[in-house]
Amino acid sequence: GEDVEQSLFLSVREGDSSVINCTYTDSSSTYLYWYKQEPGAGLQLLTYIFSNMDMKQDQRLTVLLNKKDKHLSLRIADTQTGDSAIYFCAETPQNNRLAFGKGNQVVVIP
Amino acid sequence: GAGVSQSPSNKVTEKGKDVELRCDPISGHTALYWYRQSLGQGLEFLIYFQGNSAPDKSGLPSDRFSAERTGGSVSTLTIQRTQQEDSAVYLCASSSNANTGELFFGEGSRLTVL
Repeated sequence: GEDVEQSLFLSVREGDSSVINCTYTDSSSTYLYWYKQEPGAGLQLLTYIFSNMDMKQDQRLTVLLNKKDKHLSLRIADTQTGDSAIYFCAETPQNNRLAFGKGNQVVVIP
Repeated sequence: GAGVSQSPSNKVTEKGKDVELRCDPISGHTALYWYRQSLGQGLEFLIYFQGNSAPDKSGLPSDRFSAERTGGSVSTLTIQRTQQEDSAVYLCASSSNANTGELFFGEGSRLTVL
């Protein structure tokens, strides 16, 4: 199925860590993605994780994947004002379409 | 250009009018997608083009919506007899490989129907 769920809003103080969560339904998904949408802009691929991995670290970003629970999370360390955005998770294209969650808005408070 | 280009960036129209939204994908990208982003609704898939294959129109919400892609490059999304519920940001994306999830998005066309 293409049912990707995300919580909606998170505020975090600059310098703190932020965690965004996502659940998905298709256990056959090969890759899972995080996209970032800054205000007034389109989406930009932030990072992705292959389904045979539990964790991927990319500078300040850590992606955790729990395949058993179909749970994906994105941790941003030392959150900065430029991290204020909407974050979307997505699972492997099914029928050539990428299914996105509703997005999680992160607001960084200076 | 270096990225996906969409025009107009903003469009205000009256209910019942037709609108055309344009997408210029990254050169060489064979896959092109249209999504609609409404407040609180996330991204809704509309239509997908891949090369010369028949497009996947299964996401179009009504027969007032249509899209074409000329010469495997530029795409136009047309909404006829616009309704207020059509108000949204229409996002275009392109990809060099439809089997991956790496899509390159334009900045979108914000449509407001009065």
